[in-house]
Amino acid sequence: DAGVIQSPRHEVTEMGQEVTLRCKPISGHDYLFWYRQTMMRGLELLIYFNNNVPIDDSGMPEDRFSAKMPNASFSTLKIQPSEPRDSAVYFCASSLLLRGELFFGEGSRLTVL
Amino acid sequence: DQQVKQNSPSLSVQEGRISILNCDYTNSMFDYFLWYKKYPAEGPTFLISISSIKDKNEDGRFTVFLNKSAKHLSLHIVPSQPGDSAVYFCAAKGKGSARQLTFGSGTQLTVLP
Repeated sequence: DAGVIQSPRHEVTEMGQEVTLRCKPISGHDYLFWYRQTMMRGLELLIYFNNNVPIDDSGMPEDRFSAKMPNASFSTLKIQPSEPRDSAVYFCASSLLLRGELFFGEGSRLTVL
Repeated sequence: DQQVKQNSPSLSVQEGRISILNCDYTNSMFDYFLWYKKYPAEGPTFLISISSIKDKNEDGRFTVFLNKSAKHLSLHIVPSQPGDSAVYFCAAKGKGSARQLTFGSGTQLTVLP
């Protein structure tokens, strides 16, 4: 079975550029999460969706961050404009209703110069 | 304000001995706890979980203990193996909330051969 698929695995960009991270959740999972991992803050939840609808985006740091889930098999996290402090590993995860276990993708490592 | 705390950033254990990883939480509304393991350049993977109605859950070499009165949980690995070397994250889910998990900052376990 395919797990959560994220792309790109690595992204290096310059400050001010737009960055789009992509995620394909596990088929049949109805929850999708975007997490960010940094040395300072660990794993922090940015936003999550249920049945493609954003439920809680209180973790999104600024208006520069936006996330969409146009269908059950695809989600994007966009940063525009990017800043050096956005450098982190961004994880997408999905889960089934009534289960607590999240299944994570391998992450997208973003470096903003 | 960290609701889930892992106060030991690192732990080294000899192969074959017991590894004990600790986690404290402050929110009494948490009702489900999980441990995730993370290897470098990979996403976290689910390891073991425990509901707040239990005080122990065992799966092979891994046992999680929950002390609700102390708001403390621990993960025991017996016997420890070099392949267990990874970062271990404790996570907790709130009662009545959806699938969002709050993660601790992680503990790097190194099992020495």
